[in-house]
Amino acid sequence: QVQLQESGPGLVKPSETLSLTCVVSGSSIGSGYYWGWIRQPPGKGLEWVGSMSYSGSTYYSPSLKSRVTLSLDTSRRQFSLRLKSVTAADTAVYYCARVSDGSGSHADYWGQGTLVTVSP
Amino acid sequence: SYDLTQTPSLSVSPGQTASIACSGDKLWNKYVSWYQQRPGQSPLLVIYQDTKRPSGIPERFSGSNSGNTATLTISGTQAMDEGDFYCQVWDSNTVVFGGGTKLTVL
Repeated sequence: QVQLQESGPGLVKPSETLSLTCVVSGSSIGSGYYWGWIRQPPGKGLEWVGSMSYSGSTYYSPSLKSRVTLSLDTSRRQFSLRLKSVTAADTAVYYCARVSDGSGSHADYWGQGTLVTVSP
Repeated sequence: SYDLTQTPSLSVSPGQTASIACSGDKLWNKYVSWYQQRPGQSPLLVIYQDTKRPSGIPERFSGSNSGNTATLTISGTQAMDEGDFYCQVWDSNTVVFGGGTKLTVL
């Protein structure tokens, strides 16, 4: 059974960098999938942040691209998100997910999500 | 950027059929996925590549995609099917989500 678990600070100050990690179990992180992040502001819909493959190929949301960095550590079976220069608008539940490749790309396994609040 | 439009809310009675629509330009030309999100839970994939059901998803969930509209159909809707439903496509190297439809079963 594939499981993903997010971790990281629940509170980040404005203008600082948000950093989250997702640990994967039950699936090889180098198995040909992409590994992605999706966020959901309180009371709102889903917003894709970005995805990364084990080979280093990355895709980012155009609206976040300038502030987002994804990385992947196959030896530790984890991947990470860094979002710099955060504002209150970045307050959201952040989910990590396994994402299939190609035109039919979809997220078939999700973490439980972690709430990150941006506040002084 | 590509846009997906969903009706914000839908109500159905238990046992009836719920049809949740997702519209986008030339949507027929893209694979659509659907997610169910119950209150306080992570999204759950219920349909991918327009019509396929992941293992463990009940047969009452089905999908279709034609023209500019994709539809998630829930036959014999149950109370446990309540939640928010999101459609999603891959376009121009980005993942796009619809705004979501809140399904109420009452």
